[in-house]
Amino acid sequence: EAAVTQSPRSKVAVTGGKVTLSCHQTNNHDYMYWYRQDTGHGLRLIHYSYVADSTEKGDIPDGYKASRPSQENFSLILELASLSQTAVYFCASSAGLGGQNTLYFGAGTRLSVL
Amino acid sequence: GMPVEQNPPALSLYEGADSGLRCNFSTTMKSVQWFQQNHRGRLITLFYLAQGTKENGRLKSTFNSKERYSTLHIKDAQLEDSGTYFCAAEAGGGSGNKLIFGTGTLLSVKP
Repeated sequence: EAAVTQSPRSKVAVTGGKVTLSCHQTNNHDYMYWYRQDTGHGLRLIHYSYVADSTEKGDIPDGYKASRPSQENFSLILELASLSQTAVYFCASSAGLGGQNTLYFGAGTRLSVL
Repeated sequence: GMPVEQNPPALSLYEGADSGLRCNFSTTMKSVQWFQQNHRGRLITLFYLAQGTKENGRLKSTFNSKERYSTLHIKDAQLEDSGTYFCAAEAGGGSGNKLIFGTGTLLSVKP
């Protein structure tokens, strides 16, 4: 049974529109992450969180907001979607920060901004 | 250059063959992880290494922090090994222990 669930699995959005990507984990992990994957760039960290009601900027936070209303849920919000935000987005969770803590990924959300 | 360089970008093997993937780091890294992304896009953690070598079935990974590289060796390649393999390194210190991903190696295993 999937422990990190993302919704929607795919979405088409219009430029300038608002997009919310949701992530739910049942791992009881403190840390949750949002990454984007673009061809030729691997995964890049957008935002992460280590406790409910708190979020931290990752390496590419511009144009994105994040929300962690509870330990289990972590959302990524694009207030004004742009063409450059077309990508596959992955949510992940881990017990702690640091490489020894295994990352558990969701199945990904394919976002197309037109 | 890129902090994590992965090569080759693509690799084609026949079933039963052995091969290796490599990541080079521009600076000393604290640890490395290897992931497989399957044909459905699912990311699975393969290894975490802070040093040395680990094996799991037909996979073996080595991390040499001093020499700034890590390798993933696949033995007796199977069709289900096809996918994209990523390494991700943890720089530590002021980076906040965040992972830096390589750009991946697309592996195709042919019958």
